[in-house]
Amino acid sequence: GEDVEQSLFLSVREGDSSVINCTYTDSSSTYLYWYKQEPGAGLQLLTYIFSNMDMKQDQRLTVLLNKKDKHLSLRIADTQTGDSAIYFCAESGRTGGFKTIFGAGTRLFVKA
Amino acid sequence: DTAVSQTPKYLVTQMGNDKSIKCEQNLGHDTMYWYKQDSKKFLKIMFSYNNKELIINETVPNRFSPKSPDKAHLNLHINSLELGDSAVYFCASSQAGEGEKLFFGSGTQLSVL
Repeated sequence: GEDVEQSLFLSVREGDSSVINCTYTDSSSTYLYWYKQEPGAGLQLLTYIFSNMDMKQDQRLTVLLNKKDKHLSLRIADTQTGDSAIYFCAESGRTGGFKTIFGAGTRLFVKA
Repeated sequence: DTAVSQTPKYLVTQMGNDKSIKCEQNLGHDTMYWYKQDSKKFLKIMFSYNNKELIINETVPNRFSPKSPDKAHLNLHINSLELGDSAVYFCASSQAGEGEKLFFGSGTQLSVL
């Protein structure tokens, strides 16, 4: 079946930029998403990108999509301690029946 | 005004019992879901309903039975609970035609003893 992979951990210092990477296998992906999960809470949609876009910027967040390599990244500028959370990459596409497939999540630790 | 609310937040029960989790959304969305998140935070879809009709039914044991009385509610009933059912269960909703942008509830932590 379709698969989404991302590294499990990332540690950065407060004020630095964080880059979380993700790869996916579904060549028919239509939308790609980044969700954030804080402890004890549900997932919150941070941002998403349509598959015909290369980049999307939203305040401190920049999403880059390399469709040829099936690679998605999320850059968080000026990372704050409040950004510490689990970040999930996800995709939905025709091959998967438009179900959203999630990666295992990247745990971001921000050191003060 | 919670957009997607699910109850209870915590559920502790004995093996073999039957339990239900309720979910309601006030976003006017037409699609609702149940996801299961295991201890390693891996998230997997269980069911999806669109306008009260079941459209996704993953390989979930038939001890799990969803029920959608109307498009704003999707409940999950679990019979004969097993230790392996312990997880966090998330309800979510989305509106068709908007790229399946999911809005999640805060989760129900189920512990089977």
